[in-house]
Amino acid sequence: RKEVEQDPGPFNVPEGATVAFNCTYSNSASQSFFWYRQDCRKEPKLLMSVYSSGNEDGRFTAQLNRASQYISLLIRDSKLSDSATYLCVVLEYGNKLVFGAGTILRVKS
Amino acid sequence: GAGVSQSPRYKVAKRGQDVALRCDPISGHVSLFWYQQALGQGPEFLTYFQNEAQLDKSGLPSDRFFAERPEGSVSTLKIQRTQQEDSAVYLCASSPGVTNSPLHFGNGTRLTVT
Repeated sequence: RKEVEQDPGPFNVPEGATVAFNCTYSNSASQSFFWYRQDCRKEPKLLMSVYSSGNEDGRFTAQLNRASQYISLLIRDSKLSDSATYLCVVLEYGNKLVFGAGTILRVKS
Repeated sequence: GAGVSQSPRYKVAKRGQDVALRCDPISGHVSLFWYQQALGQGPEFLTYFQNEAQLDKSGLPSDRFFAERPEGSVSTLKIQRTQQEDSAVYLCASSPGVTNSPLHFGNGTRLTVT
């Protein structure tokens, strides 16, 4: 079983739609959680950290459920520019970031 | 300011050749990571340096892979006797702190082994 699992998608949504991605992780000792965004043939970039109480950054909302070892990302009012691969990332002991395989989002006009 | 710089951007190697991939992290960044990303997959951890010390090399897939960061700045990932399964994008990332700091990735080196 992979340490971080994500639905690969693709999620094809119209502009303005709300879309949610989920991620599960296997190591209950994992310390911190993040969502990274990766555009085609580009490097990953930090989108947002994920806090236990849930956090919001503009149209993006991240949630963490430690009991279920589950992380989510909600994107409201999708834009064409949101099209990318979204990587769920878990920080493990020893400063090691473990990435999921990513979920592909395609926003269409 | 300058970000993480990797070279070469693309590398084609014949099977059996040795390759060396270079990473220039952001100046002053303590932590440096190497990741391998195969097509359609997320980045897979290879190794981690804190300054010049290689603290974790658990992700290196075989003893053909070797990484160094002798002066705590530039790092080199060397792959000996390349195999076709080594074809991937090799990403370098640095961060200013030793724990829980955002990673800044370079553009990667796309290695193709023929």
